[in-house]
Amino acid sequence: GQNIDQPTEMTATEGAIVQINCTYQTSGFNGLFWYQQHAGEAPTFLSYNVLDGLEEKGRFSSFLSRSKGYSYLLLKELQMKDSASYLCAVRPRAAGGFKTIFGAGTRLFVKA
Amino acid sequence: DVKVTQSSRYLVKRTGEKVFLECVQDMDHENMFWYRQDPGLGLRLIYFSYDVKMKEKGDIPEGYSVSREKKERFSLILESASTNQTSMYLCASSPRIYPPGEQYFGPGTRLTVT
Repeated sequence: GQNIDQPTEMTATEGAIVQINCTYQTSGFNGLFWYQQHAGEAPTFLSYNVLDGLEEKGRFSSFLSRSKGYSYLLLKELQMKDSASYLCAVRPRAAGGFKTIFGAGTRLFVKA
Repeated sequence: DVKVTQSSRYLVKRTGEKVFLECVQDMDHENMFWYRQDPGLGLRLIYFSYDVKMKEKGDIPEGYSVSREKKERFSLILESASTNQTSMYLCASSPRIYPPGEQYFGPGTRLTVT
């Protein structure tokens, strides 16, 4: 089967660093995405990894290890506005290559 | 600014009614998707379309159908709404490129079936 696991909830303090982990088991691999979703809003794209290693984009970084089926999203200098759900999503190597499997999301609470 | 719009933010329907959810994108994207989002389950793919008049079943197509008559518009149809279809419905689109790019999501329609 195909499965994506990520923690349900995390809490962190404003100004701190938080790491949100994601493990996946899919039939093939064609890229991993992280999306941010504020309550009541649409998910928005944060990052994309297809090769092993770290991708940095401002305060957000995403890491991928294909051999371990593992990724993490690192948020630095946390701000209150970072309180949101973070969705890990994997695109398996399937016919057409369009399908994406989403994890249930990690709800991050940033406290003052 | 890229845009995906959905016809309604909130919708209340009765059991057995036929329900139409409309999605329009202005980015000339080939691919369009319909998901439902439920607490603890994440986004689950209902149907997707990679071209006009083309459609593919996702992971949970039962009870749903779709229509794509024009490139910019993708409609989700609940033939006979049931209470277990109460959910948040999200439409998304993406360009047909390689490597595959991110999906752009609409604001969602929260459907309640009573």
